[in-house]
Amino acid sequence: GAVVSQHPSWVICKSGTSVKIECRSLDFQATTMFWYRQFPKQSLMLMATSNEGSKATYEQGVEKDKFLINHASLTLSTLTVTSAHPEDSSFYICSAKRDSYLFSGNTIYFGEGSWLTVV
Amino acid sequence: GIQVEQSPPDLILQEGANSTLRCNFSDSVNNLQWFHQNPWGQLINLFYIPSGTKQNGRLSATTVATERYSLLYISSSQTTDSGVYFCAVGTGGFKTIFGAGTRLFVKA
Repeated sequence: GAVVSQHPSWVICKSGTSVKIECRSLDFQATTMFWYRQFPKQSLMLMATSNEGSKATYEQGVEKDKFLINHASLTLSTLTVTSAHPEDSSFYICSAKRDSYLFSGNTIYFGEGSWLTVV
Repeated sequence: GIQVEQSPPDLILQEGANSTLRCNFSDSVNNLQWFHQNPWGQLINLFYIPSGTKQNGRLSATTVATERYSLLYISSSQTTDSGVYFCAVGTGGFKTIFGAGTRLFVKA
């Protein structure tokens, strides 16, 4: 089945540093990927839509310069949290939309998520 | 944008009881999924069900797209069913929007 992998699963970083989270589609191509953020005991909020070969589209209220998204290939999108602060600590999860016009049914697959703690 | 409402927000069950979780959405969708989020945060896909009815063991789901709601049924609940259940819908742009979730606790 379709698999989306995120790395790292857990990361602790110091305030002021940057941290990169990877989202890979392992067995399918994904022109479009999505990044979500989840605060404790809350739902998943869409941050941005990542498009291969072009700039990401950010949701209202999401700082583009804080959360850098790069979608350099059809199987990899990265989210970089720049100059991280404790308030950036959260659970980040990605999803990938399978590129297959011949495939019917579900085409959106989610990664396992990444826990970020900024100290 | 599309609104997704889930009810109830919290649910406590005795082991063995049945329950129904509801998801209402405000616009037409081309993708609807039910997820169970475990204590480690991992989203477990339960159903892809933009319309119709599906069953998987003790779980089943029904989506009535014309009336813009979906139901998730849990029968003979077990303590391992505890966690948060999310309904997530997608529209033509393939963005997936999540409801606020139903937090379920099953007591032994």
